[in-house]
Amino acid sequence: DAGVIQSPRHEVTEMGQEVTLRCKPISGHDYLFWYRQTMMRGLELLIYFNNNVPIDDSGMPEDRFSAKMPNASFSTLKIQPSEPRDSAVYFCASSLAGDTRSYEQYFGPGTRLTVT
Amino acid sequence: RKEVEQDPGPFNVPEGATVAFNCTYSNSASQSFFWYRQDCRKEPKLLMSVYSSGNEDGRFTAQLNRASQYISLLIRDSKLSDSATYLCVVRASTASKLTFGTGTRLQVTL
Repeated sequence: DAGVIQSPRHEVTEMGQEVTLRCKPISGHDYLFWYRQTMMRGLELLIYFNNNVPIDDSGMPEDRFSAKMPNASFSTLKIQPSEPRDSAVYFCASSLAGDTRSYEQYFGPGTRLTVT
Repeated sequence: RKEVEQDPGPFNVPEGATVAFNCTYSNSASQSFFWYRQDCRKEPKLLMSVYSSGNEDGRFTAQLNRASQYISLLIRDSKLSDSATYLCVVRASTASKLTFGTGTRLQVTL
């Protein structure tokens, strides 16, 4: 079974450019989460979706960040314009609502973003 | 105050040693607790859930103290392959989202 797929794995861009990160959750999972990880702040939840609907976007840092989930198998996180402080590893994770015992989230390999 | 607090370490221990990590959480309404493991430059993965009665999985033992809002992870007979960052994770009562601690780094040496 394929796990959570993210692309690109690495992205280097210049300040001011638009960045789009992509995620394909595990088939059948109905929750999708976007996280950002830095050394200073650890793993922070940005936004999560249930059945393609955004449930909580309180972690989105500012209007430069936006996320969409047009269907059950695809989500994007967009940063426009990007800034050096956005440099981080961005993880996408998915989970299954019925898995109430563990609430386990399955993470993708992450996208390492560097904004110069 | 952070929702989930951990000692960042690093904990440097010799192979075969026993090591314990602690974690405190601030939301008394938290319902579920977990330890995730993250290898260097990799994604986090679920290590084990933490139950009120305490639970064991091989060399790993997790404990929960709701009164003190405290979670622990004990690793016995440490292996080189245990070297990783261990993330304490908490779920609030009304949400599917998880709150992660910043992690405790473990380095097991020969």
